[in-house]
Parts: sequence; C-alpha cells; structure tokens
Amino acid sequence: GEDVEQSLFLSVREGDSSVINCTYTDSSSTYLYWYKQEPGAGLQLLTYIFSNMDMKQDQRLTVLLNKKDKHLSLRIADTQTGDSAIYFCAERSSGTYKYIFGTGTRLKVLA
Amino acid sequence: EAQVTQNPRYLITVTGKKLTVTCSQNMNHEYMSWYRQDPGLGLRQIYYSMNVEVTDKGDVPEGYKVSRKEKRNFPLILESPSPNQTSLYFCASSLSYGGQETQYFGPGTRLLVL
Repeated sequence: GEDVEQSLFLSVREGDSSVINCTYTDSSSTYLYWYKQEPGAGLQLLTYIFSNMDMKQDQRLTVLLNKKDKHLSLRIADTQTGDSAIYFCAERSSGTYKYIFGTGTRLKVLA
Repeated sequence: EAQVTQNPRYLITVTGKKLTVTCSQNMNHEYMSWYRQDPGLGLRQIYYSMNVEVTDKGDVPEGYKVSRKEKRNFPLILESPSPNQTSLYFCASSLSYGGQETQYFGPGTRLLVL
C-alpha cells in the first residue's frame, strides 16, 4: 500500500538552510504536500507540487522532487527560530481525496 | 476571516457514551476531511467528503461515522467510543480550482476516552 516516510528530527542553527526529506511510494500521478504544525495548533499548508514538476520555489521555501527515487525535499532558506515546528509531507493520488501523511519531522532551530 | 472551527476543543468521556465533534468552515469549500493524530503515526485520514451527501472512508474509519447534510458542516460521530479512540482530531477543508489548491485545518479536538 501507499506509504510516506520522514526522518524524525532535524536540528539547525539560525540563518542556516534546513532540508527536510520525505519518500513516498505512490507511482501514479500524485500531488505532494508540505505542512507545518506549530505547538498546540492545526496544520498549515505550506506548499505543494504535482508529480510532473521537478521543483517549486515560494519565497524561502524550495521543494525538490526526484520522481525516479520517489524522494521529496523541502528546503527552508535562512531558517529562523519561528520555523521551529513539526513538518509533515503527504501525498494524494490525482482523482482521489485520500491523503497519506508521513510521521512528521520535528525541526529545532538553535539561536 | 477564513477558518475551520471545531467543537469541543477538549473532551473527556467514558467508554460507550456517544459523542459528536462538530466541524464548520466558512469558505464554501466542497471538500472536507477528518484526521486523527497519534504520536509516531502522523495524521491518518478517517473520512472525507467531496460534497454534500458524498462521503467516503479514509484509512481508519472503524468506529466513526460522518454526515454532510450541508456544505459548511461535517460532524464526526463516535457511536460507542473506546479507549483506542483517545487521540487528537483535526478537521480540514479544501478547494481545488484552476490548478490551485487551498487547504485549512481546524485547531484540533483532544479526546480522552476512559
């Protein structure tokens, strides 16, 4: 079945770039998402990419997609303490509304 | 202000006592969904609805019911809650149009079943 995997923790220094990685298994046309969850809050959709794209950039965020390896990454440039949160990746097959989420990566930004 | 509201935010109940968690959105979104979040498991989709009177099962529907009688509301019903349904629940709504997608999540409902 479909599966989405992420590493559990990442720690970076303020001002550095963060790269959060995710692997997925669905081989059909797919939407891939990145969400941010701050403590005690719901999820916030950060960005998403369709599987026919290789890259998407939105201000400090860059999403890279390696379709061959089914690998998705989220790069946060100039990471700030306010970026400390849990980041989830998720996939959704085109034509369905079934979302499969990863377990989340906890990003800690050190001042 | 665009928002998804959930009520209650916190609930402690006992095994077998029926409960309903309400979810409402003010954006006229067609799609709504319920998730549960458990430590080490991420979010798992319980049920989703693509429009009024159209619902379908997610990955973990057992023990839950939903209804979508009107576009703005999507309540989650636990007919006979059990301790393994203790979790953090999120409702979400979204709209896909012209290749663009917007999604909003509610603030969460923390449920403890004794």
